[in-house]
Amino acid sequence: AQTVTQSQPEMSVQEAETVTLSCTYDTSESDYYLFWYKQPPSRQMILVIRQEAYKQQNATENRFSVNFQKAAKSFSLKISDSQLGDAAMYFCAYRSAGVMGTSGSRLTFGEGTQLTVNP
Amino acid sequence: DTEVTQTPKHLVMGMTNKKSLKCEQHMGHRAMYWYKQKAKKPPELMFVYSYEKLSINESVPSRFSPECPNSSLLNLHLHALQPEDSALYLCASSHPARADRHQPQHFGDGTRLSIL
Repeated sequence: AQTVTQSQPEMSVQEAETVTLSCTYDTSESDYYLFWYKQPPSRQMILVIRQEAYKQQNATENRFSVNFQKAAKSFSLKISDSQLGDAAMYFCAYRSAGVMGTSGSRLTFGEGTQLTVNP
Repeated sequence: DTEVTQTPKHLVMGMTNKKSLKCEQHMGHRAMYWYKQKAKKPPELMFVYSYEKLSINESVPSRFSPECPNSSLLNLHLHALQPEDSALYLCASSHPARADRHQPQHFGDGTRLSIL
């Protein structure tokens, strides 16, 4: 079974600064997908960024980028120019490329990192 | 605006009540999911429907009964719940095809359920 570990339960950053959230995972699979979701107090889980394991290039979405190290099984999220609206719980998630109805259906989540943005 | 709509937003019910949670999506997704989320914890998968058929039941107690009447709609019927069932219930949808596995699951805003 896959596991996802987020070792930072809480992080804080000053507005306009950069912060990096850590995520490591354990899997024996070679084909999979990784996601970062954000969950503000409004409750909705919002996709921040995704990475296909077969792609060596790190994904980037505006102020959000990842450092994907497949050999190290590490998938950290960097938020640049932090904004007050970035304050939320961030979940790292793993999804197998396997068959639907089995492992391919599941998102395995880390425990989350609560990010506070200070003005 | 969320593309996955859940109703009601909040629900308070007694342990003897019967109620239902509803989830609707119009993105053409053929996989739909129910999750349970406790405060400050990640979502826990409960059920997965693929092409309107139940494909995964994560050993959920029978007091939770899912139903997928059509490709756009997912219900969760609740009966004789316990106080520990109080949580946020999230619905999600995605494309089930292997070729679309890189596509994310889209989540609704959830139903906050409180059991008295």
